[in-house]
Amino acid sequence: GQNIDQPTEMTATEGAIVQINCTYQTSGFNGLFWYQQHAGEAPTFLSYNVLDGLEEKGRFSSFLSRSKGYSYLLLKELQMKDSASYLCAVRSPSGGYQKVTFGIGTKLQVIP
Amino acid sequence: NAGVMQNPRHLVRRRGQEARLRCSPMKGHSHVYWYRQLPEEGLKFMVYLQKENIIDESGMPKERFSAEFPKEGPSILRIQQVVRGDSAAYFCASSPANEYSNQPQHFGDGTRLSIL
Repeated sequence: GQNIDQPTEMTATEGAIVQINCTYQTSGFNGLFWYQQHAGEAPTFLSYNVLDGLEEKGRFSSFLSRSKGYSYLLLKELQMKDSASYLCAVRSPSGGYQKVTFGIGTKLQVIP
Repeated sequence: NAGVMQNPRHLVRRRGQEARLRCSPMKGHSHVYWYRQLPEEGLKFMVYLQKENIIDESGMPKERFSAEFPKEGPSILRIQQVVRGDSAAYFCASSPANEYSNQPQHFGDGTRLSIL
């Protein structure tokens, strides 16, 4: 089966840096996605990793270690608008196609 | 360049009625996925469709739920004889391909279904 773990809640201070971790155990691996979801809204795509290492995109970076089944999302210079849930999702082969399985999401609260 | 369009945004039904949720994928996308999300919970996969074909419906309850993606028109998620436990947000996502690709799924704004 597929198992994706991430903390349910985190709190960080405006202007600071926060790291949201995600560990996964899946049958096969073909990429990891991070999405941001504000309350009551649609998830929006943030980043994609398929090879080991760090992908940087502005204030957001995402890291992957396939051997450890581990990823993190790093948010720098936190802003109040970054308060949202962050979903880790893994793509893996399932029944002849590539299935994306989502973690429960980490609810990040940014405080002044 | 319209994104994934879902309607209605909010739907209220009484127990025993039918709910029909619609999803038009992004232009050029032929793969549609439906997810269900309860408050404080993650996205739960329900069904994956391509035009006129159901590829994987393993996440969909065997009874009362059905989905289709006809050759013409939007994808429809249909829930018959709704019960209180069906109250949730239902999200549709689409992608241009399913194979090895860095293309993510793009999500619609969801339909919030409330059962009275």
